[in-house]
Amino acid sequence: EAGVAQSPRYKIIEKRQSVAFWCNPISGHATLYWYQQILGQGPKLLIQFQNNGVVDDSQLPKDRFSAERLKGVDSTLKIQPAKLEDSAVYLCASSLYPSHNEQFFGPGTRLTVL
Amino acid sequence: ELKVEQNPLFLSMQEGKNYTIYCNYSTTSDRLYWYRQDPGKSLESLFVLLSNGAVKQEGRLMASLDTKARLSTLHITAAVHDLSATYFCAVEPGNSGGSNYKLTFGKGTLLTVNP
Repeated sequence: EAGVAQSPRYKIIEKRQSVAFWCNPISGHATLYWYQQILGQGPKLLIQFQNNGVVDDSQLPKDRFSAERLKGVDSTLKIQPAKLEDSAVYLCASSLYPSHNEQFFGPGTRLTVL
Repeated sequence: ELKVEQNPLFLSMQEGKNYTIYCNYSTTSDRLYWYRQDPGKSLESLFVLLSNGAVKQEGRLMASLDTKARLSTLHITAAVHDLSATYFCAVEPGNSGGSNYKLTFGKGTLLTVNP
């Protein structure tokens, strides 16, 4: 079974630029999550999708971050414009359905904002 | 707001020794998850604990959950170098329902096993 795929793996941008990350969850997984992991901390949930609908985006900085999952499969997370404090690893995870919440994580995208 | 605290945050131990990592949380929950993260890698699921008194073991690692004490432990038996990694616990609030099953992670415990 293929795991969660993410791209790119690394990205370096300057502040005020835009960046987008892509995630392809495990086939058949209805729930998709985007996390931000700052160095030395645990992952923090940014947004949770159930199929193509948003379940929780309470911790998403909506003035600069946006995410979509148009067909209920792949998802993109965008930051526009980026700030220095956005430097982190962005992890995508998926689970079969919400009540079976063992989440499987992708390799992550390491973002550096200069 | 659910708070999850792990201790210790840093653990250096010798091969062959035993130790326990603790995960305390602040609200009712009977669902707790342990993950492992190697440097520069993503999170790997280790254990899923879904009820009070749940105990699971895999190799040299054993995890348990006491929902009344709001405490989970990850016990390491006869540590080996390959166990060096960061270990995270993650808690799902006990009032989860509907479609929101949000995990809150601890800060992680960086384990270094020395020869």
